[in-house]
Amino acid sequence: AQKITQTQPGMFVQEKEAVTLDCTYDTSDQSYGLFWYKQPSSGEMIFLIYQGSYDEQNATEGRYSLNFQKARKSANLVISASQLGDSAMYFCAMYMDSSYKLIFGSGTRLLVRP
Amino acid sequence: DSGVTQTPKHLITATGQRVTLRCSPRSGDLSVYWYQQSLDQGLQFLIQYYNGEERAKGNILERFSAQQFPDLHSELNLSSLELGDSALYFCASSTRQGDGYTFGSGTRLTVV
Repeated sequence: AQKITQTQPGMFVQEKEAVTLDCTYDTSDQSYGLFWYKQPSSGEMIFLIYQGSYDEQNATEGRYSLNFQKARKSANLVISASQLGDSAMYFCAMYMDSSYKLIFGSGTRLLVRP
Repeated sequence: DSGVTQTPKHLITATGQRVTLRCSPRSGDLSVYWYQQSLDQGLQFLIQYYNGEERAKGNILERFSAQQFPDLHSELNLSSLELGDSALYFCASSTRQGDGYTFGSGTRLTVV
């Protein structure tokens, strides 16, 4: 079954600390892409970071990094030096080349405490 | 402005009615994805079009249909609306996977 699982419905982090949001995926595809999106309370979907299944190095974009462990089928998002503006819903997503589908996990709500 | 345009932004309609949501992808993007996001839930994949052709289908109800026109804009038609269809409907487009999928600001549909 093709599925994205985010097991943390909600998380707290102290401002300036790092936080890891978990994501596991299930697919039999060899070629796929993994994404993280941020959805603030305003509702828009903001693309954060991408990891291709054949990329050997973990992706990084500023304060965001993706901890890709292919054998474990996990693609955790690490946010370093959390800021108050990081408080939002975060979604993990997967695109599968065989089906052309882009599917999303259920999301993790992150609250950054001052 | 993400470059993906969705209209209208808000829509209130009665049960049993039919509505059409419109999406214009970013210039040059050939694909359009449609998603439904019910309150405090994840995004449910509905359907994808690529250059006018349906390419992937998700959990789209039979009461829902979509199409992509020659100018690449897409419309999602929702008919016989029920209270449970109230949700935020997003469309997204992409040129290159590594650049991510760009989402529109969504259409918030309220069925009363």
